[in-house]
Amino acid sequence: DAGVIQSPRHEVTEMGQEVTLRCKPISGHDYLFWYRQTMMRGLELLIYFNNNVPIDDSGMPEDRFSAKMPNASFSTLKIQPSEPRDSAVYFCASSLAGGGQETQYFGPGTRLLVL
Amino acid sequence: AQSVTQPDIHITVSEGASLELRCNYSYGATPYLFWYVQSPGQGLQLLLKYFSGDTLVQGIKGFEAEFKRSQSSFNLRKPSVHWSDAAEYFCAVGPMNTGFQKLVFGTGTRLLVSP
Repeated sequence: DAGVIQSPRHEVTEMGQEVTLRCKPISGHDYLFWYRQTMMRGLELLIYFNNNVPIDDSGMPEDRFSAKMPNASFSTLKIQPSEPRDSAVYFCASSLAGGGQETQYFGPGTRLLVL
Repeated sequence: AQSVTQPDIHITVSEGASLELRCNYSYGATPYLFWYVQSPGQGLQLLLKYFSGDTLVQGIKGFEAEFKRSQSSFNLRKPSVHWSDAAEYFCAVGPMNTGFQKLVFGTGTRLLVSP
């Protein structure tokens, strides 16, 4: 089975530009998570969805960040406008709830550099 | 505030030697506990998890972890380290009231393996 798929793997953009990161969760999973990893702050949960509905977006840093999940197999994280401090690795993860044995499966990440 | 502490930023171990990575958490009740490993340029892979029951948990790649309630610790161990174990290791906790959803990650321990 394919794991969590993220695209692009690397993104270099200039300050002020819009950036869209994409994620395809594992088929059948009903939770989807977006994380950001930086040297300074470590791994932070930004937002997570359950059955395509945003449940908790308290980790989204500011209004420049938005996330959507239009269907069970696709999610986007958008930054508009981007700033150099947004440079980080962004991970998507998915999981299947039930039975108390939930495990989050991570994608390979998108490395974002904002110049 | 809920927190996860990994006191060792870097650890160097000789190949074949034993390994113990420390993790302490601060929560009102026993949370769900996880160890993940991240190889360079890769996403996070789950090594093992503790939800309840036997406090010694076996994971993949020969790793194990022991939950000690009295010490609020969940240390990761391996009896004999291989060069391929060089990676960054993250301890994570999920509060009982939110299950696994809102994982809080430690800052990570980078493992270096010397010949």
